[in-house]
Amino acid sequence: DAKTTQPPSMDCAEGRAANLPCNHSTISGNEYVYWYRQIHSQGPQYIIHGLKNNETNEMASLIITEDRKSSTLILPHATLRDTAVYYCIVRVNNYKLTFGKGTLLTVNP
Amino acid sequence: GAVVSQHPSRVICKSGTSVKIECRSLDFQATTMFWYRQFPKKSLMLMATSNEGSKATYEQGVEKDKFLINHASLTLSTLTVTSAHPEDSSFYICSAIEGRNSGNTIYFGEGSWLTVV
Repeated sequence: DAKTTQPPSMDCAEGRAANLPCNHSTISGNEYVYWYRQIHSQGPQYIIHGLKNNETNEMASLIITEDRKSSTLILPHATLRDTAVYYCIVRVNNYKLTFGKGTLLTVNP
Repeated sequence: GAVVSQHPSRVICKSGTSVKIECRSLDFQATTMFWYRQFPKKSLMLMATSNEGSKATYEQGVEKDKFLINHASLTLSTLTVTSAHPEDSSFYICSAIEGRNSGNTIYFGEGSWLTVV
């Protein structure tokens, strides 16, 4: 199963872009990269996912390197409400999600 | 995005009793639902995968007789914690997916806090 590596924590200033990195060097060709976030005491919230191409939606952008061994989640204008644990997950075993420890992003005023 | 709802959001039960948690997909048919538990300051741990109309598949180390999972319809799965003990106190979260394409998004419920006293 492909595993992911994320920094345990990051800080970002409010209004600035938050760039969250993720390494997934053992990813297989048909495995998607998913990003979720979890605000304290809530269920995970879906952010974005991608296979090969860069993706953008109303919440974030996902940049996947050409060799697919790493990706970056970009929150273009971070707000205080974006403070959460962000999980980068490679979809394994057909469709279940296995969570790692994630990155605690703290957005500072 | 799609909505997955859990009920109850918080429950307190006495040791030795059983408690049921419901997970519903509100605007799509969930072919598969997943149950997780999460201890404070820890990551989510997958407990089991349930497919509509068939028996759940439990992860290694999860007692299937203690954590009963039923997925009787395409919009409802239930987790019953039987003979609950204080160590079962945790945050239980369900998720659901429509179809079997690995590109289909998995959505999560709000979670249910279980406290066993």
